[in-house]
Amino acid sequence: SYELTQPPSVSVSPGQTARITCSGDALATQHGSWYQQRPGQAPVMVMYIDTKRPSGIPERFSGSNSRTSVTLIISEVQAEDEADYYCQSADSSGAVIFGGGTKLTVL
Amino acid sequence: EVQLVESGGGSVQPGGSLRLSCAASGVTLSDYWMHWVRQVPGKGLVWVSRISPEGRITTYADSVKGRFTVSRDNAKNTLYLEMNSLRGEDAAVYYCARVGRPGSRFDYYMDVWGKGTTVTVSS
Repeated sequence: SYELTQPPSVSVSPGQTARITCSGDALATQHGSWYQQRPGQAPVMVMYIDTKRPSGIPERFSGSNSRTSVTLIISEVQAEDEADYYCQSADSSGAVIFGGGTKLTVL
Repeated sequence: EVQLVESGGGSVQPGGSLRLSCAASGVTLSDYWMHWVRQVPGKGLVWVSRISPEGRITTYADSVKGRFTVSRDNAKNTLYLEMNSLRGEDAAVYYCARVGRPGSRFDYYMDVWGKGTTVTVSS
C-alpha cells in the first residue's frame, strides 16, 4: 500500500519561513492536499491540488510540487501558525492516504 | 455557511455496534463525495471510508472493511457510518468531511469538516 512520509516536527522562529515536505509514490499520479489542525479542533484545509490556496487562508501559505512530493511553505511564520500539519493524497483504488503529521513549533 | 455536524458517538463494549450520523446544513450533500476520517487523541488522521454522491460507490480502509458500512440519505442531507464488531483500536474521534469539487470522483481534497464525535470502545 502507498504511504506518505513527512517529518515529525519542524521548528522556526517568528518571521522565518517554514517548509514541510511530504513524499510518496501516490503523489506521482494524484494531487496532494494539506490540513492544519490546532489542539482540540477539527482539521482545516490550507492547500489543495498541490498549490491551490482556499479562500480565507492567508497568502503566507503556499505550495509546491515535484514528481513524488509536495511541499507546504509558510512564509513570515506567526505564533498562530503553530499546529499539526497533515498531507493527504489517494491511491489508484480511491483509498485516501494521510501522512503521519508534522508538528510545527514557532520558537 | 456550510456546516457538518456529527453525532452518535458514545461508549460501547468490544463487539458492539454504533451508528454515526453527519448532518449537513448550508449545502446540498447530494452533490458531493463524502468521507469519514478518524483520529485517536494525540495521534494522526486516518481515513476510514468514502461514498459517492448517489451512494452507489463506496470505498473502505482495510482496517474496517467488512465491519463498517457508509451510507447516505440525501433527502435528509445526512451521511451515516454503521460500525459493527467494534474493537479497541476503533476508539477515536470520527470526522465527516466533504470533497471540495461537486461530483468529482477523482478529487480527494476535503474542504469542509465537522467537529467530530467520539467513540469509546471498552469493557
